[in-house]
Amino acid sequence: TQLLEQSPQFLSIQEGENLTVYCNSSSVFSSLQWYRQEPGEGPVLLVTVVTGGEVKKLKRLTFQFGDARKDSSLHITAAQPGDTGLYLCAPLYSSASKIIFGSGTRLSIRP
Amino acid sequence: GAGVSQSPSNKVTEKGKDVELRCDPISGHTALYWYRQSLGQGLEFLIYFQGNSAPDKSGLPSDRFSAERTGGSVSTLTIQRTQQEDSAVYLCASSYDTGPATEAFFGQGTRLTVV
Repeated sequence: TQLLEQSPQFLSIQEGENLTVYCNSSSVFSSLQWYRQEPGEGPVLLVTVVTGGEVKKLKRLTFQFGDARKDSSLHITAAQPGDTGLYLCAPLYSSASKIIFGSGTRLSIRP
Repeated sequence: GAGVSQSPSNKVTEKGKDVELRCDPISGHTALYWYRQSLGQGLEFLIYFQGNSAPDKSGLPSDRFSAERTGGSVSTLTIQRTQQEDSAVYLCASSYDTGPATEAFFGQGTRLTVV
């Protein structure tokens, strides 16, 4: 059984600040996805990372896949109120596995 | 339609009644997932259909929960003898295939309230 942990659970920061959230697994990933869920909506895919050590940037969001393929981080620069939401990581442990989500980090950006 | 469609969007039911929740996936998507999200929580996996394979039911919390997918398209999640702890948002997602770059597309969910 793979253990999956996201941290922190909750984060409330001021607009303009930087933040990092983490996703850690007890097992090696085949790949990993990050989703964001806004209130009243379903989650929406932000990025997929496949290669160990890979870094992807999406405007002010930087996603990193750990070298050992067991962890990932999401860094947001100069957070905006529109970044508010639930950030979910979803590792895939094999090419044919179902999508299981971490418990998420609930992010609130204060104007 | 262009996206995943779920119905009803809201459902209030009395404890002990049965409910059916419907999901219309994106046309051509072979994989379909059901998740449950309690207030302020993450997504709890319930069941996964992939093509003609036997569904992965490992996330169903009790034998009161069941799901079927007819003709590889529409899916129905049935909860029998509902309990108050079943109150949650039930989310359906579909994807074109499985694999490292698969993207899951979600519906807006059905908010179930058991009174």
